[in-house]
Parts: sequence; structure tokens; C-alpha cells
Amino acid sequence: EDQVTQSPEALRLQEGESSSLNCSYTVSGLRGLFWYRQDPGKGPEFLFTLYSAGEEKEKERLKATLTKKESFLHITAPKPEDSATYLCAVQARTNAGKSTFGDGTTLTVKP
Amino acid sequence: DVKVTQSSRYLVKRTGEKVFLECVQDMDHENMFWYRQDPGLGLRLIYFSYDVKMKEKGDIPEGYSVSREKKERFSLILESASTNQTSMYLCASSPPQARDGYGYTFGSGTRLTVV
Repeated sequence: EDQVTQSPEALRLQEGESSSLNCSYTVSGLRGLFWYRQDPGKGPEFLFTLYSAGEEKEKERLKATLTKKESFLHITAPKPEDSATYLCAVQARTNAGKSTFGDGTTLTVKP
Repeated sequence: DVKVTQSSRYLVKRTGEKVFLECVQDMDHENMFWYRQDPGLGLRLIYFSYDVKMKEKGDIPEGYSVSREKKERFSLILESASTNQTSMYLCASSPPQARDGYGYTFGSGTRLTVV
């Protein structure tokens, strides 16, 4: 059974204080690992897809990296508008499009 | 702007009512999904569909059914609503398999309260 564990559950940062969110996963044959951002009361919004160990993707202050067992979402010099819940999900080659989600990390960035 | 549209943002229903949640996507995606999201439990898959008239059970299908008569529309049905089905319901769509730049596209969610 595919599993995704995210840590920490919650993270509070000062504006400009860089940090990383962790996503540990087990999956039988990874097709893709996804990161999403979710604002309160809204549906998740897709950020990145990573496919193989060593791959990196960047978008503004966010950088996602992937190893064989975990993924990190690095946030560089965060701003208050980066406050949100960040979700990680994996998709197995055998599951034809079905993703398993982690519980998310809620990030709060204080000005 | 491509999107997934859920028919209601907020819904209040009585115990025992039959409830229909509608979801429409305009991206010609093959896959569609229904999740519920509860504090501390994360996103849990209820049902998904790979194609018109195709459906498969997710992790928590009990008390729910689905209908996909057209490619763009995926309906979630609560046969007899109960208070433990009070939740945020999220619909999503995606291409058949993960490919670069394509995750799920989610709707804005329907917050259902069963009283």
C-alpha cells in the first residue's frame, strides 16, 4: 500500500527565514510525486511534479527535490503570502492516475 | 482559464436526505475523482472514474455512489445523508497518467453540513 508522511505538521517562520518541508513516501514503482498548495477554504493548487531521484523543480521562492525515499520543498526567504498548507502526493505506475496524499504541512509566515 | 467547477460552495442537508454533488471540468480529462477532507484525516478518496460510465471505489466508498454519464461531469451521491458525512468535498480531474506539468486540477470544494 502506498504511503505518504509529511513533516512537520505545522511550521511557523519569520519573513525571510528559509526552511524545508519533508515528504517521506513508500510506493511500488513511482510514476510521479506531486506538490500542491492549499489556501483555507479552497481546493489544492498544483505546484510541481517530480519523476526521478535527483530531479529538481523551481517556482519563485519554492524548490522541490526528490530522492528515492523522500522529497523536500525548500522555501527561500518566505513572505506572508506563502502561508498555506502544502500537500505532497505520490502516484504509482500501477495505479493509472490515482494519487495518495499526505496530511500536509501548514506553513505560517509572520511579517 | 481551465477549471473544475463544483455546483455548490456550501450545502446544508437533513439526515436521511439524498444529496447530489455535481462536478464539471472543461479540460477534456479522462480521470475524475471525489475526495473528502477532514481535519486530522487529510484527503481521502471516495470514488474515481477513468472514463465515461467507468467507476472504481476508493478508500471510503461506503454510503456514497457516483455517476459519470458524460466525460465532463462526475456526480457524487449520498444515498441517505448522515451527520458523519459532514465534510469538505473536493472534486478533481487529471489526464490519464502523470506527465510533466500535470497534476490534479481541483475544484473549490463543497462544504456539506448534515443536520
